[in-house]
Amino acid sequence: DTAVSQTPKYLVTQMGNDKSIKCEQNLGHDTMYWYKQDSKKFLKIMFSYNNKELIINETVPNRFSPKSPDKAHLNLHINSLELGDSAVYFCASSQESRGVSGANVLTFGAGSRLTVL
Amino acid sequence: QKEVEQDPGPLSVPEGAIVSLNCTYSNSAFQYFMWYRQYSRKGPELLMYTYSSGNKEDGRFTAQVDKSSKYISLFIRDSQPSDSATYLCAMKEMANAGKSTFGDGTTLTVKP
Repeated sequence: DTAVSQTPKYLVTQMGNDKSIKCEQNLGHDTMYWYKQDSKKFLKIMFSYNNKELIINETVPNRFSPKSPDKAHLNLHINSLELGDSAVYFCASSQESRGVSGANVLTFGAGSRLTVL
Repeated sequence: QKEVEQDPGPLSVPEGAIVSLNCTYSNSAFQYFMWYRQYSRKGPELLMYTYSSGNKEDGRFTAQVDKSSKYISLFIRDSQPSDSATYLCAMKEMANAGKSTFGDGTTLTVKP
């Protein structure tokens, strides 16, 4: 039973299109994240939600819009896709309640590989 | 300058070798230090984490933190071909809930 599942696994699309990636976790974690991994394996946080509330929003273009309908789901919608958006997008979750700091142990999904042509 | 720098690799070693993977950092507020392993086409998975300075051992893996030098290491003893993966260090401040800063990763190949 997959802990953090994201769909689709692969996305190939044209510049200018809009696409969405969905993520679900069944771990009962409070916090969910979107990370972007470039071709050099560098992992950078994009967004973090705690119990449906946005708590981290790194300097990401506003073409990227996350949405958390409940604490088990975090989706990512990308408008007007650009070549530079090609990357692997990872969803992750952690049991880190707001205001309580710990090691931030992340459980990652398998990734969604986005290719913009 | 990046907050976290990781030895770039790639690293190729024979089976049975001792492997040392290293990261340096500039932010003295980092208190939690994590190591993740990422197999090809998979998501990273946590190997181990330590709090503040010191050593932590888990089977063939030992994590070491030297806060005075702002330097962390992961040692793998008796390396196996199944250890071939990209290893990512990550660090977090005590107060900054939910935000880990990652190194660029070191790709390790263990040859049989």
